[in-house]
Amino acid sequence: AQSVTQLGSHVSVSEGALVLLRCNYSSSVPPYLFWYVQYPNQGLQLLLKYTSAATLVKGINGFEAEFKKSETSFHLTKPSAHMSDAAEYFCAVSDDPDAGGTSYGKLTFGQGTILTVHP
Amino acid sequence: DAGITQSPRHKVTETGTPVTLRCHQTENHRYMYWYRQDPGHGLRLIHYSYGVKDTDKGEVSDGYSVSRSKTEDFLLTLESATSSQTSVYFCAISVGDATNEKLFFGSGTQLSVL
Repeated sequence: AQSVTQLGSHVSVSEGALVLLRCNYSSSVPPYLFWYVQYPNQGLQLLLKYTSAATLVKGINGFEAEFKKSETSFHLTKPSAHMSDAAEYFCAVSDDPDAGGTSYGKLTFGQGTILTVHP
Repeated sequence: DAGITQSPRHKVTETGTPVTLRCHQTENHRYMYWYRQDPGHGLRLIHYSYGVKDTDKGEVSDGYSVSRSKTEDFLLTLESATSSQTSVYFCAISVGDATNEKLFFGSGTQLSVL
């Protein structure tokens, strides 16, 4: 069984400050790991994805995440926050292909972290 | 957005009534998923489909059924809605192959069961 824990349901930063959103996972096999962003009244959008290639993954909008197996972590960072980054962020894990055998769309999500950016 | 349309966008219904939500895609992708989103729980998988008439259960499938009679439509049915099924429901579609797979999400259906 897999699980995801996001530390902190709310994170507040100033514009220009470092963004750090924490995610820890549990998985019995090497996982695929994801970060998604959700803007108000919208669906989720993929920020980045780890699939066992490089441990440092770069995504869209200047975000990146580092896979640390020893810490079972996949924290999301951005060097300088922008007002447009305000949204809810979800970490997710997949380690089990679906019954068709070729898709890893069966995701287990964390509870989400709401990022607020102050001027 | 992988051509995903969810309908209706909003629905208010009464306890005990049947409700069907529709997810429609225009690009003939094989894999489709239904998730529900609740505060403090993130998103949880209800059911998914890996082809026409091929479906399987997710984490929170009790009280839900699905059907996929053609590639473009994946229907989620609440046979007898309960207040605990008040939620936002998202359809998702898997696009790409093993090396570059991405999930694209619809805009969601807000369901209120009174």
